[in-house]
Amino acid sequence: EAGVTQFPSHSVIEKGQTVTLRCDPISGHDNLYWYRRVMGKEIKFLLHFVKESKQDESGMPNNRFLAERTGGTYSTLKVQPAELEDSGVYFCATRGSTDTQYFGPGTRLTVL
Amino acid sequence: KQEVTQIPAALSVPEGENLVLNCSFTDSAIYNLQWFRQDPGKGLTSLLLIQSSQREQTSGRLNASLDKSSGRSTLYIAASQPGDSATYLCAVNNNNDMRFGAGTRLTVKP
Repeated sequence: EAGVTQFPSHSVIEKGQTVTLRCDPISGHDNLYWYRRVMGKEIKFLLHFVKESKQDESGMPNNRFLAERTGGTYSTLKVQPAELEDSGVYFCATRGSTDTQYFGPGTRLTVL
Repeated sequence: KQEVTQIPAALSVPEGENLVLNCSFTDSAIYNLQWFRQDPGKGLTSLLLIQSSQREQTSGRLNASLDKSSGRSTLYIAASQPGDSATYLCAVNNNNDMRFGAGTRLTVKP
């Protein structure tokens, strides 16, 4: 069974540009989470989808971040416009009927 | 607000040693606690998950304990191997809001 996949693995953009990160969950996992780790800090929760609905988006830093999960399958996280402080590693995790979250490899975002 | 602390930040041991990684959290009203391993440039691999009603979980050479009342969890690694070298993360789940510690970077020397 395929694990959680994320694309791209690494993205380098300039300040003010737009970037879209994608997460493909494990098949059948209704719960999808986004996290990020900025340099030197711990991993922090961004938001949680249950199928296509946002269950909790309390961790989203500001309105430059937009997450979607159309059809309850893959999810995208768009940053527009990107700022320097958005640099970090963005992780996606999914969960099925158990409590264990399975993480993807992450997308390393560098904003110059 | 839940705060998760991991001590030590880094640990280096010779191969074969038994070791303990510590995790503490400030809010004992947790749903569960999960230990992860992260290799450089890779994602997180779930090692053990302990429900709030449980005291410990074991998987192979790993044993995780949970003392909810004191806000502590430990990850015990027996007979460490160089392949155990990685960063170990503790994450506390409060109602689906998972809070992570900063991790312990473990190096096992051959």
